[in-house]
Parts: sequence; structure tokens; C-alpha cells
Amino acid sequence: NAGVMQNPRHLVRRRGQEARLRCSPMKGHSHVYWYRQLPEEGLKFMVYLQKENIIDESGMPKERFSAEFPKEGPSILRIQQVVRGDSAAYFCASSLTGGEGYEQYFGPGTRLTVT
Amino acid sequence: GENVGLHLPTLSVQEGDNSIINCAYSNSASDYFIWYKQESGKGPQFIIDIRSNMDKRQGQRVTVLLNKTVKHLSLQIAATQPGDSAVYFCAEINQAGTALIFGKGTTLSVSS
Repeated sequence: NAGVMQNPRHLVRRRGQEARLRCSPMKGHSHVYWYRQLPEEGLKFMVYLQKENIIDESGMPKERFSAEFPKEGPSILRIQQVVRGDSAAYFCASSLTGGEGYEQYFGPGTRLTVT
Repeated sequence: GENVGLHLPTLSVQEGDNSIINCAYSNSASDYFIWYKQESGKGPQFIIDIRSNMDKRQGQRVTVLLNKTVKHLSLQIAATQPGDSAVYFCAEINQAGTALIFGKGTTLSVSS
């Protein structure tokens, strides 16, 4: 019974390159959430997706960041033209359904370093 | 606005002691809270949750207390063990029910 899977676990990119982070939710889960965590801080919500739909992207920066959750395959968080300030741990969570009362299970995270 | 925070950034206890980690929130309309544990290099792990219609909820060695009058949440860990060493976050669901809002965390250190 695999949990939420994220890859890669560590990603190094030079400024200006693109970063692609992948998240496979728990089996049977169709709700995916992306969070970003800066050092010594709590997690900050970025985006909430269901299959093929973005439900809430209020935490996503307006430029360079995008997310998708296709009908088949993992959810992808894409960061174009990365800058040093994008260096952080990015966590994906999934839930059986949305809304409160439904536990969000977190993956191990992808640690992005921009050089 | 929505804000969840913690009183102390660090807490050090001896093995076998009881630990109490506190959290203050500002949104009086919040009605669902969760405690997460995050070990170094890992993702947050669900510990326990509580709804606003409850004052107390118990799990295995953990108890969450909710005081809505002063908008305060606490996590009590009984007989703390070295394996409990981690960063603990309280979180609340946002008003739209679409995201968790995390506080900054308390680092619990347990010495043998």
C-alpha cells in the first residue's frame, strides 16, 4: 500500500532552467495539493487539483509556476526560469476527497536547489 | 485574516516526561484543526485532528485540546520518547476547505 510518491527527491537547477516535480497520489486518491516549505518555516499552500481540474491556485505565484493533474499519470508542478528564491522543499499531499475532515497524506518532498 | 502560529520555536524534554506544544490561531471561524509531525528530511505526518465542536480528543499517547474562547490549541504527548523528536506543526483548514494553513512549528528535542 504505497503512500504518496514524489520524484525526484533532490533536484538541482541553474538559474533560468526549468524544474519539473512529479507527484503520484495514494491509490484511490483523486485530490492533490502542492505546498512549499522554506527553511525553518511551515508549509505554504500553493495549489489544489483534482483530476484534470485546478480547484484552487490562490497560493501559486502568478508567473513561472504551473501545475497539472492529467487523467493519466502523476501531477506535475512546473517552474519555468527558476531563480534562487525558488530553492525550497516542495511537498505534495493527496486525499480521498476534498474539504475538511479528510486527511491529507504527504509525500517525502522534492528539495529544489537553484544555483 | 487566517493565521496559525505556535508559541515557542523549541521545546526540550527528558525521555519519559510529558510534552505540551501550544498553538494560537486568529480566525475565530476556524472549525477544523490538525497536528502534524515532521522528521528531518521527511514530509509531514498526520498525528491527530479535532473539530471545533469538541474540546478534547485523545489518540495513542497524544491528546489535543481546543480552547475556542482564547483561540488556543495544544498537543500533549505522554511519556515522550526519543522517537518523538521532530518539528510539530498545527494547521487549520482554510475557509474554502481547499487547503491547510500551517503555523511555523515547534522543534521538540527529547534527551535520554
